[in-house]
Amino acid sequence: DAKTTQPPSMDCAEGRAANLPCNHSTISGNEYVYWYRQIHSQGPQYIIHGLKNNETNEMASLIITEDRKSSTLILPHATLRDTTVYYCIAMDNYGQNFVFGPGTRLSVLP
Amino acid sequence: NAGVTQTPKFRVLKTGQSMTLLCAQDMNHEYMYWYRQDPGMGLRLIHYSVGEGTTAKGEVPDGYNVSRLKKQNFLLGLESAAPSQTSVYFCASRPRTGVFTGANVLTFGAGSRLTVL
Repeated sequence: DAKTTQPPSMDCAEGRAANLPCNHSTISGNEYVYWYRQIHSQGPQYIIHGLKNNETNEMASLIITEDRKSSTLILPHATLRDTTVYYCIAMDNYGQNFVFGPGTRLSVLP
Repeated sequence: NAGVTQTPKFRVLKTGQSMTLLCAQDMNHEYMYWYRQDPGMGLRLIHYSVGEGTTAKGEVPDGYNVSRLKKQNFLLGLESAAPSQTSVYFCASRPRTGVFTGANVLTFGAGSRLTVL
């Protein structure tokens, strides 16, 4: 599974879009990009995933570059409740391990 | 529908004691995982299972053993607890997916906080 790299922390103003980047330059053609977040001390919560097309659901949007070497998770109108750690993972359907890196700590500022 | 249930939620052990953490899922998932999370750190995979009767090592397996005798249960054992095993332990499960579905979505339990004195 490809290694992913994320900035350790980011700030965002409340009500504005939060754009969280993820680098996965060694991603292979059949590896999906998954995003999770972990609120307080709970287990991580699934947000969204994609292969090569941009994806949107009720929580967020995922933009994947054409060469698939990087992606951006977009929270369109960040709220204070979105302040937490976000994890980006690359994995194919044959993969058995889900490896979580340190993630990005997003701080939404009032 | 309970999802993934971990027991106990909290436990304090003395060095050298043994204990077992239980993870139970009611979603008929094939894959189950045990992670540990230390303060300020990401999750690290301890062991995982791809089906009943099978287990495999993750990133940090030393000091832990696991068993998957029933599909719905995944047990994590500490034979001789050490202070370095003080952590929050998370269990997760997911279904086996088809090649093109991309639905490798993990469902996590609420965590078990273990302190080893």
